[in-house]
Amino acid sequence: QSILTQAPSASGTPGQRVTISCSGSDSNIRSNRVHWFQQLPGRAPNLLISNTNQRPSGVPDRFSGSKSGTSASLAIDGLQSEDEADYYCETWDDSLNGHVFGTGTRVTVL
Amino acid sequence: QLQLVESGGGVVQPGRSLRLSCVASGFIFSKHSMHWVRQAPGKGLEWLSVISQRSDRTFDADAVKGRFMISRDDAKNTLFLDMTSLRPDDTAIYYCARESEAGPFDYWGQGTLVSVSS
Repeated sequence: QSILTQAPSASGTPGQRVTISCSGSDSNIRSNRVHWFQQLPGRAPNLLISNTNQRPSGVPDRFSGSKSGTSASLAIDGLQSEDEADYYCETWDDSLNGHVFGTGTRVTVL
Repeated sequence: QLQLVESGGGVVQPGRSLRLSCVASGFIFSKHSMHWVRQAPGKGLEWLSVISQRSDRTFDADAVKGRFMISRDDAKNTLFLDMTSLRPDDTAIYYCARESEAGPFDYWGQGTLVSVSS
């Protein structure tokens, strides 16, 4: 099982703010950059946030990332129907000498 | 445009081997580290392996260490994953992904499905 823990689900109505947390440890989140991926149903993952809080070109500014200690967060401000997807955090783990993904959070727009 | 196309998936019996390929186009393949990531049906993403530029270094997840081997052929812009001693819990969609210069996986292939079943 993954060593980065995320809540299995989150939901909100259109326009609401939704926050997804990713809990790790000193050997991963505290020490390394965190990235976030969005996976739409039936599609490959897509880079959403890089290096904790940077949006790649084309990603709407309603998506933002942050990190504090051994936890990272992804926020969606102004939730839209097309944001229904699975979201994963990812980082490097110094103890495992490998990359690790979070357990994933499914966002539902009510 | 930049593209990663995986192939080689299929149905295979437990204990057998399989080689996956990922052909890259639209960027200078040799300048990027490349990764394999898989996703079992209805499950989350699992990182498997990385190979650096010039194949200097590789790292593997414990789950596949000693059974899977990542390699690359820069002349053919192709990434490989050689999988041996396959088990039913290796059933998954296998994605290749490019590591950007800044670190994250910025481009992914569409995936190839491997099903291990007798």
